[in-house]
Amino acid sequence: SQTIHQWPATLVQPVGSPLSLECTVEGTSNPNLYWYRQAAGRGLQLLFYSVGIGQISSEVPQNLSASRPQDRQFILSSKKLLLSDSGFYLCAWSSPRSGGYEQYFGPGTRLTVT
Amino acid sequence: AQSVTQPDIHITVSEGASLELRCNYSYGATPYLFWYVQSPGQGLQLLLKYFSGDTLVQGIKGFEAEFKRSQSSFNLRKPSVHWSDAAEYFCAVGRGGSTLGRLYFGRGTQLTVWP
Repeated sequence: SQTIHQWPATLVQPVGSPLSLECTVEGTSNPNLYWYRQAAGRGLQLLFYSVGIGQISSEVPQNLSASRPQDRQFILSSKKLLLSDSGFYLCAWSSPRSGGYEQYFGPGTRLTVT
Repeated sequence: AQSVTQPDIHITVSEGASLELRCNYSYGATPYLFWYVQSPGQGLQLLLKYFSGDTLVQGIKGFEAEFKRSQSSFNLRKPSVHWSDAAEYFCAVGRGGSTLGRLYFGRGTQLTVWP
């Protein structure tokens, strides 16, 4: 069966520090991968998605970047965090072989920028 | 552009009562429809989905949803709510035509269950 991991689970970082969040998927190959941010009362905002290694698309301009160095690894980064980067970050995957719409989410990372 | 509306930000029901969470979408063709549930501090779990066929779909945990094309709605229902159903519920819509699976989420409905 497929599983998706995110780490760390919780992170407290000062403003201006770098960020690296990691997401890995097991039990499938060539998944679509997604990064979402969830702010209180605002639902889910899609940040980045990837259909393959090195292929990243950004949904909104922001202080963040994403990379996919391996087929089942998706990394969210920032060079300098802002207070507004605080939130709950969710990684998700879907299978293009089954249409790509059924997304499965990881447990999330709670980021607090101080 | 696609949009998903969950009109109820917060709903409170008594344990054992029936539940209906509303979801409306705007999209020209028949979309792919989903309901997800999120417990505090957790990721989202897929409850059920509609792609085509029977407009009444069954999901996990005793939930069901009905697609009504004429009303552009996909409401989630449960006949008898349990205290463990307290969580936030998200409706999501996808459109066909690609294998990317771009989903558009509503802002969520927070469900509180009174004992």
